[in-house]
Amino acid sequence: EIVLTQSPATLSLSPGERATLSCRASQSVSSYLAWYQQKPGQAPRLLIYDASNRATGIPARFSGSGSGTDFTLTISSLQPEDVAVYYCHQYYITPLTFGGGTKVEIK
Amino acid sequence: QVQLVQSGAEVKKPGASVKVSCQASGYTFTTFDINWVRQATGQGLEWVGRMNPNNANTGYAQKFQGRVTMTSNTSINTAYMELSSLRYEDTAVYYCTRGNRPASSYSWLDPWGQGTLVTVSS
Repeated sequence: EIVLTQSPATLSLSPGERATLSCRASQSVSSYLAWYQQKPGQAPRLLIYDASNRATGIPARFSGSGSGTDFTLTISSLQPEDVAVYYCHQYYITPLTFGGGTKVEIK
Repeated sequence: QVQLVQSGAEVKKPGASVKVSCQASGYTFTTFDINWVRQATGQGLEWVGRMNPNNANTGYAQKFQGRVTMTSNTSINTAYMELSSLRYEDTAVYYCTRGNRPASSYSWLDPWGQGTLVTVSS
């Protein structure tokens, strides 16, 4: 099973700051990695697929990069509505797996 | 728009079974896999398995092999997940979610149903 390790566990930033979230895979997942945003009481929402493609309707401040084992989700200018838990997800090999999540807070 | 609507919350006793439904709309149901993912309260996301509504092929996480069955009724665009021999630790929100590459296992998950809370309690 591919283990995805996300860091940091919690990220606390001021509005307008840049947020950088990391996801490391225990073995290569090529570019078959997605990022999801989950707010309390809601289902996950797709942000990025195939490592760097923004999903329909996702603001341009969200971007993804990486391939192989190291991936990054960047929020270029943090907004109050971005407070959520962010999960990475690999769909290269079954069982499909998810990272443990990064909680993004506003200072 | 593409939408997945799940059945309502369930409360079951240990050892019982639960069957959750997921009705799809806004696309051709047989084109894409349906996956099931669960989330215990305050915890992360865990993949349960997936099925292809076109040919009924399934793939389950090893943890759930022998306890989970995924089926579908293509006449009403609905997928089902049945989990048997329920344990307290199966208490979670269960989501259905669609794969996005036809006839491919390399598929991200979108959209997601609203989730179904399954509570196992004596």
